[in-house]
Amino acid sequence: AQSVTQPDIHITVSEGASLELRCNYSYGATPYLFWYVQSPGQGLQLLLKYFSGDTLVQGIKGFEAEFKRSQSSFNLRKPSVHWSDAAEYFCAVGARGSSNTGKLIFGQGTTLQVKP
Amino acid sequence: ETGVTQTPRHLVMGMTNKKSLKCEQHLGHNAMYWYKQSAKKPLELMFVYSLEERVENNSVPSRFSPECPNSSHLFLHLHTLQPEDSALYLCASSLSGTYNEQFFGPGTRLTVL
Repeated sequence: AQSVTQPDIHITVSEGASLELRCNYSYGATPYLFWYVQSPGQGLQLLLKYFSGDTLVQGIKGFEAEFKRSQSSFNLRKPSVHWSDAAEYFCAVGARGSSNTGKLIFGQGTTLQVKP
Repeated sequence: ETGVTQTPRHLVMGMTNKKSLKCEQHLGHNAMYWYKQSAKKPLELMFVYSLEERVENNSVPSRFSPECPNSSHLFLHLHTLQPEDSALYLCASSLSGTYNEQFFGPGTRLTVL
């Protein structure tokens, strides 16, 4: 069965420090991978996605993620965190649903706190 | 309006009430989704509509009843809910077909007393 694991429930980093959020997936075929961010009281916004090709993908707000098939991982990184990055981050794998409509399977999320 | 909108943003209801959540997408998509987001749990997919036809129902109790009258609108009708149904209900839309990214609305925060 498809699944996504985000091992870190909560992470605190200092503003200006680098960030890495971990994501591991379980999926039988070539995965389609996504990172979403959710600010308090808001819906989810897509940060980046991996479908194929270059395993290092660039997203919005200075985020990037690297797909590593051998490790079944898709970790999210940012070289220098800003206070506005404090939010909840969700990793998701795209799976084939009924009638070929895609569905997303989400991890439990990682809450990022940024210290001044 | 742009993107995906949801109304109301907050809803408090008793267990015997009947209410409806509304979602509208302005992106020209033809697939729409309902998710439930509870504290400390992953997002749970509830229903999927593709081309106005329900294509997925993830063992959701019958007290939740979806309706998709056209490709731009999605409703979730609620009746005789339980306190454990209190959660954030998110609507999303995408182009139909596999692996297209989904765009989310801001959610409706539901509290069942």
